Amino acid sequence: QVQLQESGPGLVKSSETLSLTCTVSGGSISNYYLSWIRQPPGKGLDWIGYIDYSGSTSYNPSLKSRVTISIDTSKIQFSLRLSSVTAADTAIYYCARGTKRFLPWPSPRDYIYYMDVWGRGTTVTVSS
Amino acid sequence: QSVLTQPPSVSAAPGQKVTISCSGSSSNIGKNYVSWYQQLPGTAPKLVIYDDNKRPSGIPDRFSGSKSGTSVTLDITGLQTGDEADYYCGTWDSSLSAGVFGTGTTVTVL
Repeated sequence: QVQLQESGPGLVKSSETLSLTCTVSGGSISNYYLSWIRQPPGKGLDWIGYIDYSGSTSYNPSLKSRVTISIDTSKIQFSLRLSSVTAADTAIYYCARGTKRFLPWPSPRDYIYYMDVWGRGTTVTVSS
Repeated sequence: QSVLTQPPSVSAAPGQKVTISCSGSSSNIGKNYVSWYQQLPGTAPKLVIYDDNKRPSGIPDRFSGSKSGTSVTLDITGLQTGDEADYYCGTWDSSLSAGVFGTGTTVTVL
Protein backbone atom coordinates (compact mmCIF):
# COMPACT_ATOMS: atom_id res chain seq x y z
CA GLN A 1 0.00 0.00 0.00
CA VAL A 2 1.40 3.35 -1.06
CA GLN A 3 2.35 5.72 1.74
CA LEU A 4 3.61 9.29 1.65
CA GLN A 5 5.63 10.99 4.38
CA GLU A 6 6.52 14.65 4.62
CA SER A 7 9.76 15.81 6.23
CA GLY A 8 11.54 19.08 6.81
CA PRO A 9 12.10 21.89 9.31
CA GLY A 10 9.15 22.80 11.48
CA LEU A 11 10.34 26.36 11.95
CA VAL A 12 11.43 28.78 9.21
CA LYS A 13 12.42 32.40 9.62
CA SER A 14 10.53 35.11 7.82
CA SER A 15 11.95 36.01 4.38
CA GLU A 16 13.80 32.68 4.14
CA THR A 17 12.97 29.61 2.05
CA LEU A 18 10.76 26.75 3.23
CA SER A 19 11.94 23.34 2.03
CA LEU A 20 10.02 20.09 2.44
CA THR A 21 10.42 16.59 1.03
CA CYS A 22 7.84 13.90 0.48
CA THR A 23 9.04 10.29 0.43
CA VAL A 24 6.89 7.70 -1.30
CA SER A 25 6.96 4.07 -0.20
CA GLY A 26 5.11 0.93 -1.13
CA GLY A 27 4.42 1.75 -4.75
CA SER A 28 5.29 3.53 -7.97
CA ILE A 29 4.92 7.24 -8.62
CA SER A 30 4.98 7.05 -12.40
CA ASN A 31 1.78 8.18 -14.12
CA TYR A 32 0.76 10.19 -11.05
CA TYR A 33 0.68 13.88 -10.24
CA LEU A 34 2.58 14.47 -7.02
CA SER A 35 0.98 17.35 -5.22
CA TRP A 36 1.49 19.74 -2.33
CA ILE A 37 -1.44 21.18 -0.40
CA ARG A 38 -1.37 23.35 2.71
CA GLN A 39 -3.82 24.26 5.45
CA PRO A 40 -3.31 27.38 7.59
CA PRO A 41 -4.38 27.02 11.22
CA GLY A 42 -8.16 26.81 11.47
CA LYS A 43 -8.63 27.35 7.73
CA GLY A 44 -9.36 25.35 4.60
CA LEU A 45 -7.22 23.53 2.05
CA ASP A 46 -4.99 25.52 -0.29
CA TRP A 47 -3.62 23.79 -3.44
CA ILE A 48 0.05 24.65 -3.99
CA GLY A 49 0.93 22.66 -7.09
CA TYR A 50 2.07 19.37 -8.57
CA ILE A 51 4.81 17.69 -10.54
CA ASP A 52 4.46 14.67 -12.78
CA TYR A 53 6.97 11.91 -13.37
CA SER A 54 8.42 13.66 -16.41
CA GLY A 55 9.05 16.77 -14.33
CA SER A 56 6.26 18.93 -15.70
CA THR A 57 4.79 21.24 -13.09
CA SER A 58 1.68 23.29 -12.41
CA TYR A 59 1.44 25.88 -9.65
CA ASN A 60 -1.20 27.92 -7.86
CA PRO A 61 -1.14 31.30 -9.64
CA SER A 62 -1.09 33.13 -6.30
CA LEU A 63 2.11 31.32 -5.27
CA LYS A 64 3.74 30.75 -8.64
CA SER A 65 6.47 33.37 -8.25
CA ARG A 66 7.70 31.77 -5.01
CA VAL A 67 7.15 28.02 -5.53
CA THR A 68 9.34 25.29 -6.98
CA ILE A 69 8.38 21.61 -6.95
CA SER A 70 11.00 19.08 -8.01
CA ILE A 71 11.25 15.31 -8.22
CA ASP A 72 13.98 12.75 -7.58
CA THR A 73 12.76 9.60 -9.27
CA SER A 74 15.72 7.55 -8.08
CA LYS A 75 14.83 8.19 -4.46
CA ILE A 76 11.08 8.22 -5.10
CA GLN A 77 10.89 11.64 -3.51
CA PHE A 78 9.51 15.00 -4.48
CA SER A 79 10.18 18.34 -2.88
CA LEU A 80 8.66 21.75 -2.26
CA ARG A 81 10.53 25.03 -2.00
CA LEU A 82 8.68 28.22 -1.07
CA SER A 83 10.77 31.36 -1.00
CA SER A 84 10.39 34.66 0.85
CA VAL A 85 8.04 33.20 3.44
CA THR A 86 5.92 35.29 5.78
CA ALA A 87 3.63 34.50 8.70
CA ALA A 88 0.87 33.86 6.16
CA ASP A 89 2.77 30.75 5.04
CA THR A 90 2.41 29.13 8.48
CA ALA A 91 0.38 25.97 7.86
CA ILE A 92 0.21 22.21 7.86
CA TYR A 93 1.80 21.09 4.58
CA TYR A 94 0.53 17.88 2.98
CA CYS A 95 1.91 15.91 0.08
CA ALA A 96 -0.50 13.78 -1.93
CA ARG A 97 -0.62 11.44 -4.91
CA GLY A 98 -2.89 12.75 -7.60
CA THR A 99 -4.58 11.37 -10.67
CA LYS A 100 -5.23 13.68 -13.60
CA ARG A 101 -6.49 12.70 -17.03
CA PHE A 102 -7.60 14.72 -19.99
CA LEU A 103 -10.75 13.37 -21.58
CA PRO A 104 -10.81 13.85 -25.36
CA TRP A 105 -13.86 14.70 -27.45
CA PRO A 106 -16.67 13.70 -27.37
CA SER A 107 -16.43 13.67 -23.56
CA PRO A 108 -18.62 16.41 -22.03
CA ARG A 109 -15.85 17.09 -19.55
CA ASP A 110 -12.20 18.05 -19.91
CA TYR A 111 -10.39 16.66 -16.87
CA ILE A 112 -10.53 14.06 -14.16
CA TYR A 113 -8.48 15.24 -11.17
CA TYR A 114 -8.33 13.94 -7.60
CA MET A 115 -5.85 13.04 -4.85
CA ASP A 116 -6.26 9.56 -3.45
CA VAL A 117 -3.29 9.11 -1.09
CA TRP A 118 -2.21 11.77 1.37
CA GLY A 119 0.67 12.10 3.79
CA ARG A 120 -0.04 12.81 7.43
CA GLY A 121 1.12 16.40 7.08
CA THR A 122 3.88 18.42 8.67
CA THR A 123 3.45 21.69 10.53
CA VAL A 124 5.60 24.62 9.43
CA THR A 125 5.70 27.79 11.45
CA VAL A 126 7.20 30.99 10.07
CA SER A 127 8.79 33.08 12.79
CA SER A 128 9.81 36.69 12.69
CA GLN B 1 -10.02 33.16 -1.93
CA SER B 2 -11.54 29.73 -2.69
CA VAL B 3 -13.28 29.58 -6.06
CA LEU B 4 -15.66 26.85 -4.86
CA THR B 5 -18.30 27.82 -2.28
CA GLN B 6 -19.67 25.51 0.40
CA PRO B 7 -21.94 26.16 3.40
CA PRO B 8 -19.87 26.57 6.59
CA SER B 9 -21.80 23.91 8.48
CA VAL B 10 -24.58 21.36 8.30
CA SER B 11 -26.01 19.13 11.02
CA ALA B 12 -28.47 16.33 11.59
CA ALA B 13 -29.32 13.66 14.11
CA PRO B 14 -27.81 10.17 14.00
CA GLY B 15 -29.36 8.07 11.26
CA GLN B 16 -30.53 11.08 9.31
CA LYS B 17 -29.18 12.55 6.07
CA VAL B 18 -27.07 15.61 5.37
CA THR B 19 -26.45 17.26 2.03
CA ILE B 20 -23.41 19.42 1.39
CA SER B 21 -23.42 21.70 -1.63
CA CYS B 22 -20.44 23.01 -3.59
CA SER B 23 -20.91 25.78 -6.09
CA GLY B 24 -18.42 26.75 -8.77
CA SER B 25 -18.34 28.00 -12.33
CA SER B 26 -18.10 26.90 -15.94
CA SER B 27 -14.30 26.75 -15.76
CA ASN B 28 -14.16 24.28 -12.88
CA ILE B 29 -17.19 22.23 -11.83
CA GLY B 30 -18.94 22.93 -15.12
CA LYS B 31 -16.06 21.53 -17.12
CA ASN B 32 -14.27 18.96 -14.93
CA TYR B 33 -15.02 16.10 -12.59
CA VAL B 34 -15.25 16.76 -8.86
CA SER B 35 -13.89 14.94 -5.82
CA TRP B 36 -14.81 15.13 -2.14
CA TYR B 37 -12.51 14.83 0.87
CA GLN B 38 -13.29 14.04 4.51
CA GLN B 39 -11.02 15.52 7.16
CA LEU B 40 -11.54 14.09 10.63
CA PRO B 41 -10.29 16.29 13.48
CA GLY B 42 -6.49 16.38 13.62
CA THR B 43 -5.99 14.14 10.58
CA ALA B 44 -5.13 14.45 6.90
CA PRO B 45 -7.90 14.69 4.29
CA LYS B 46 -9.23 11.42 2.89
CA LEU B 47 -10.79 10.90 -0.53
CA VAL B 48 -14.44 9.80 -0.24
CA ILE B 49 -15.80 10.58 -3.73
CA TYR B 50 -14.07 11.01 -7.09
CA ASP B 51 -15.31 11.56 -10.65
CA ASP B 52 -18.43 13.25 -9.21
CA ASN B 53 -20.00 10.08 -7.85
CA LYS B 54 -17.53 7.19 -7.54
CA ARG B 55 -16.45 5.80 -4.18
CA PRO B 56 -12.92 4.54 -3.48
CA SER B 57 -12.60 1.07 -2.05
CA GLY B 58 -13.60 1.03 1.61
CA ILE B 59 -15.91 4.05 1.50
CA PRO B 60 -19.44 3.01 2.49
CA ASP B 61 -22.34 3.56 0.11
CA ARG B 62 -23.82 5.98 2.65
CA PHE B 63 -21.65 8.53 0.85
CA SER B 64 -22.86 9.60 -2.59
CA GLY B 65 -22.18 12.47 -4.96
CA SER B 66 -24.12 14.15 -7.72
CA LYS B 67 -23.70 17.05 -10.12
CA SER B 68 -25.96 19.58 -11.77
CA GLY B 69 -24.54 22.30 -13.95
CA THR B 70 -21.88 24.19 -12.00
CA SER B 71 -22.79 22.72 -8.62
CA VAL B 72 -22.24 19.38 -6.94
CA THR B 73 -23.60 17.81 -3.79
CA LEU B 74 -22.36 15.23 -1.32
CA ASP B 75 -25.03 13.24 0.51
CA ILE B 76 -24.31 11.32 3.68
CA THR B 77 -27.15 9.03 4.73
CA GLY B 78 -27.51 7.02 7.93
CA LEU B 79 -25.40 9.65 9.70
CA GLN B 80 -23.01 8.34 12.34
CA THR B 81 -20.97 10.10 15.02
CA GLY B 82 -17.85 8.99 13.16
CA ASP B 83 -18.93 11.14 10.20
CA GLU B 84 -18.31 14.34 12.17
CA ALA B 85 -15.62 16.02 10.13
CA ASP B 86 -14.84 18.80 7.69
CA TYR B 87 -15.68 18.04 4.07
CA TYR B 88 -14.08 19.69 1.04
CA CYS B 89 -14.94 19.54 -2.63
CA GLY B 90 -12.12 19.80 -5.15
CA THR B 91 -11.58 19.88 -8.89
CA TRP B 92 -9.40 21.26 -11.67
CA ASP B 93 -9.97 24.81 -12.87
CA SER B 94 -9.30 25.02 -16.60
CA SER B 95 -9.02 28.83 -16.60
CA LEU B 96 -6.54 28.96 -13.71
CA SER B 97 -4.81 25.74 -14.83
CA ALA B 98 -4.74 24.83 -11.16
CA GLY B 99 -6.39 22.60 -8.61
CA VAL B 100 -9.02 24.25 -6.46
CA PHE B 101 -10.81 23.35 -3.25
CA GLY B 102 -14.07 24.42 -1.70
CA THR B 103 -14.31 26.54 1.42
CA GLY B 104 -15.12 23.48 3.53
CA THR B 105 -18.19 22.34 5.48
CA THR B 106 -18.28 21.09 9.04
CA VAL B 107 -20.71 18.22 9.60
CA THR B 108 -22.09 17.95 13.12
CA VAL B 109 -24.06 14.98 14.40
CA LEU B 110 -26.59 16.26 16.90
